[in-house]
Amino acid sequence: DTGVSQDPRHKITKRGQNVTFRCDPISEHNRLYWYRQTLGQGPEFLTYFQNEAQLEKSRLLSDRFSAERPKGSFSTLEIQRTEQGDSAMYLCASSLKQGTNEKLFFGSGTQLSVL
Amino acid sequence: DAKTTQPPSMDCAEGRAANLPCNHSTISGNEYVYWYRQIHSQGPQYIIHGLKNNETNEMASLIITEDRKSSTLILPHATLRDTAVYYCIVPPLEAAGNKLTFGGGTRVLVKP
Repeated sequence: DTGVSQDPRHKITKRGQNVTFRCDPISEHNRLYWYRQTLGQGPEFLTYFQNEAQLEKSRLLSDRFSAERPKGSFSTLEIQRTEQGDSAMYLCASSLKQGTNEKLFFGSGTQLSVL
Repeated sequence: DAKTTQPPSMDCAEGRAANLPCNHSTISGNEYVYWYRQIHSQGPQYIIHGLKNNETNEMASLIITEDRKSSTLILPHATLRDTAVYYCIVPPLEAAGNKLTFGGGTRVLVKP
């Protein structure tokens, strides 16, 4: 257990529905990341927050995706009008940057299946 | 990003040392080498990182060549629980954000 919690662990939804995932990072960590991983591939960066500010978004994050971290603690990732291509593992990670070093602690992910 | 190259897979006998190579010939002087691993159905797990000197922690040792163009992760006594995909990553130095670029990694199978 890394201390990063993600909920739910699994989500099955029908195409066109909206889904929301939650991530609770390690409490003293000021940075939070979202990654996506498809079968057989390494995780791909989606977006990250420093405290409550969303500082960068990948081109992978289409307009249907939105992420928030309202109080600089937990974060949510919402996907609107889901498509079958959104099926993947969504991973959250948190970190406390110290100097130039930064170790990311990942949660176990939310596995999304879009039917 | 400094590109890394790893063998796609390797087997290791339980109890023996596992030596995982990584090439990063385009690494710049201040970029660190990080290693993560991902056990099946889990998120990636940080193992170790280094700049120039060799590093050791409770999980592994990291040997970085003097020219910094390659490194080797050593699992001193591999166990079945070390079966995982191991990623060698060189994150770019940026003002903000540590976007890890996970390549294909090395799929390590520890056999009894």
